[in-house]
Amino acid sequence: KQEVTQIPAALSVPEGENLVLNCSFTDSAIYNLQWFRQDPGKGLTSLLLIQSSQREQTSGRLNASLDKSSGRSTLYIAASQPGDSATYLCAVSDNYGQNFVFGPGTRLSVLP
Amino acid sequence: EPEVTQTPSHQVTQMGQEVILRCVPISNHLYFYWYRQILGQKVEFLVSFYNNEISEKSEIFDDQFSVERPDGSNFTLKIRSTKLEDSAMYFCASVRQVEVGYTFGSGTRLTVV
Repeated sequence: KQEVTQIPAALSVPEGENLVLNCSFTDSAIYNLQWFRQDPGKGLTSLLLIQSSQREQTSGRLNASLDKSSGRSTLYIAASQPGDSATYLCAVSDNYGQNFVFGPGTRLSVLP
Repeated sequence: EPEVTQTPSHQVTQMGQEVILRCVPISNHLYFYWYRQILGQKVEFLVSFYNNEISEKSEIFDDQFSVERPDGSNFTLKIRSTKLEDSAMYFCASVRQVEVGYTFGSGTRLTVV
């Protein structure tokens, strides 16, 4: 059964710092991996999706990498801003993308 | 930008009552999903729906749950007899093809009392 973990559970940084969020999964036979952002009491916003054949994806200040063989993904956020404060969720699909298994999330606070 | 719309945003119901949670997926999307998140816990998959039938469901999705796409636009989740442990945020999601990212709705917070 696929298990997804995320480290750290919480992170507090001053504005402007570059930071890395980590995601690990136990079964490397994934179809794709997706990073989401969740604001308190709100829905999930898709940030980046990486297909199993890809190594990384970039969108603006965000860069996600995937090392499928080692069961790891990282989300790199450059030049963090207070508006980046949210919980970041990693999720992997292992059945032709039909459902995702989510990690517990990393709660990020970016201090002005 | 197209959105997935969920109603109501918050529903309070008494234990044992039936509830229907409603979702309007993005119009040209083909795959539809329900997930839930109990407060303080992980987001959990409930069910996926494609071509007017369930394509996959989790252990959580027992015979108390059902889904329907009654009119080609709405996608509903019904819980027949709610229990206290059904209290959670329920998210609907849709996607046109599984190679691209999901679009999630903003969720319905269900409180069973």
